[in-house]
Order: sequence, then C-alpha cells, then structure tokens
Amino acid sequence: EPEVTQTPSHQVTQMGQEVILRCVPISNHLYFYWYRQILGQKVEFLVSFYNNEISEKSEIFDDQFSVERPDGSNFTLKIRSTKLEDSAMYFCASVGGGGQPQHFGDGTRLSIL
Amino acid sequence: AQSVTQPDIHITVSEGASLELRCNYSYGATPYLFWYVQSPGQGLQLLLKYFSGDTLVQGIKGFEAEFKRSQSSFNLRKPSVHWSDAAEYFCAGGGTFGNEKLTFGTGTRLTIIP
Repeated sequence: EPEVTQTPSHQVTQMGQEVILRCVPISNHLYFYWYRQILGQKVEFLVSFYNNEISEKSEIFDDQFSVERPDGSNFTLKIRSTKLEDSAMYFCASVGGGGQPQHFGDGTRLSIL
Repeated sequence: AQSVTQPDIHITVSEGASLELRCNYSYGATPYLFWYVQSPGQGLQLLLKYFSGDTLVQGIKGFEAEFKRSQSSFNLRKPSVHWSDAAEYFCAGGGTFGNEKLTFGTGTRLTIIP
C-alpha cells in the first residue's frame, strides 16, 4: 500500500536555526497538509496546500513557517528561525480528493535546543 | 467553531473485555469523522471513517464505530481487546467536503491489563 514518507525521523537543531522537514506524499494525491503534536498534547493543524498554493493555515503558521512543493514529489515545511516551543512531532498528510481519508506519515520529531 | 471532544483521557481495560471510546463533535453540518490510532513514537494509522450512509462503520483490527446524529457522537467500540490494542486513540472531524483540515480530539490513552 502506498505510504507517506517523512525525513528525517528525528531532527535536533539549535534555537534560531532554520530547519526543513521533508515529506513525500502518496504519488497521485492532490491535497497536502502539515500538522504538529507537542508532546502529550493533541494533533494540531498547521497548513493545507493544494494546486501549488496554501489553501488554509492556522494561527500557529506565522511568518516563520513556509511550505513548498519544489518538484512533483516532495512537500516541505520550513521553519526559518526555530524557537524552543517549536519542539514537537510534525506530521505530513495527503489525500487524493474529496471524501477520502488523509494518510499520515510517521512524523519527524523536532527537538530545539 | 468546529471541535471534537474526547471526554476520557485515559481508559484501562482488561484483555478480552469490551471497549468503548467516546467522541463528540460540534460542527455546523455533519462532518466527515475518523478514528486514528497512534502507538508510542509512531504515526497516525486510520482505523475507520464515516462519510455518510450506514451509521455503523467497520474498520481495521476488529474496531467499529457508530455515528449518532442526535447525540453528535461517533464512539469507537471493540468487543474484545487484545494487549496489542494499547495505544493512543484520536477522533477527528474533517469538515463537510472531505479534503479540509482535520480537527482532532485530545486523545484517549488505552491501557490493557492482563
């Protein structure tokens, strides 16, 4: 069964540094998402992406965050200047179309020191 | 505002016993509803989904969920749990068109005792 893959599985970064989290969605999917889960808390929506543009973003997704689909397969989340509170598990998800469930990757654990 | 509520933070059941995890939603219209399971350090695996039609939906690993519009609920059930079912369970709502963002509940941690 096709999977959403995320790399790296764990990223350790110094506060203030830029970090890029990478995702390869399922190949024929059209909608892409990033979520985060702070340790012990619920999964929160960050941003959705369709047709090469952001379709919705949460209040968490401020100017420090950006997303990109640089080619036909990758979907990236960039945090420009990381803060301690950005430490979380970040999940990428994709869906083929309306009425289909989102498929999640295994996540990237981001640790900010 | 859209919301999904899971009233139980932690549930402990004996292996072989039945299980029901509660989920309530608050949306303007009936949303798409999902249950996901997360094992420690792992990603989110879809257990089952409700889009429309039959209110009792079957999922993987022997789970089922019943949609009750009158109670705005979508409770997850399993007749007999196995030790491998120990995990965190998340209920999520996905809007009314199916490709919107998911709104997650806070999760229910399930512990299985011998």
